[in-house]
Amino acid sequence: DIQMTQSPSTLSASVGDRVTITCRASQSINSWLAWHQQKPGKAPKLLIYKASSLQSGVPSRFSASGSETEFTLTISSLQPDDFATYYCQQYNHYPVTFGQGTRLEIK
Amino acid sequence: QVHLVESGGGVVQPGRSLRLSCAASEFSFSNWIMHWVRQAPGKGLEWVAGISHDEKNKHYAASVEGRFTISRDNSKNTLYLEMDSLRSEDTAVYYCAREGYSSGFAPCLDTWGQGTLVSVSS
Repeated sequence: DIQMTQSPSTLSASVGDRVTITCRASQSINSWLAWHQQKPGKAPKLLIYKASSLQSGVPSRFSASGSETEFTLTISSLQPDDFATYYCQQYNHYPVTFGQGTRLEIK
Repeated sequence: QVHLVESGGGVVQPGRSLRLSCAASEFSFSNWIMHWVRQAPGKGLEWVAGISHDEKNKHYAASVEGRFTISRDNSKNTLYLEMDSLRSEDTAVYYCAREGYSSGFAPCLDTWGQGTLVSVSS
């Protein structure tokens, strides 16, 4: 199985900050990477697919890049609604695997 | 707006069975590949199973292969997960999710239900 490793596990930041989360794959997954946001007690929400494509309805302050084994998610100016846990997900092949999550908390 | 609503969760003893349902609305359910993903308390996400639109292709995580069965009834717009021989490690919130995009080999999940909690305990 492909292992997905996110860093950091926890990130403390303030409203207005620019933040970046990293996701590394244990082998090449080309650009088959998604990013999901999850708030406590809620279902995940797709933000990014195919490494850098913004899902419909997602604010443009979210952006992402990467290929092969290294990927990043950037939030350009944090808003109060962005404090949540973020998961990367590879879909290069089965089984689908997720990173362990990055919890973004208010400083 | 696409809507997925899971049901059927609850408390069950180890070794027993449980069937989860996911009712879909506001999209053409029969045209979409569907999946189950779970999340143990305080843990991350784990993909469980997926099924093609016509039920011809099914995929399972190794951790549930042989114990769980995914199925669907397109006439009822409903996805199912039959869980047998349940173990304590199956305790989780179970989400159904739609495959919105694909690499051609595996899914990117674009819409998720709100989840149903399964607790396996004696």
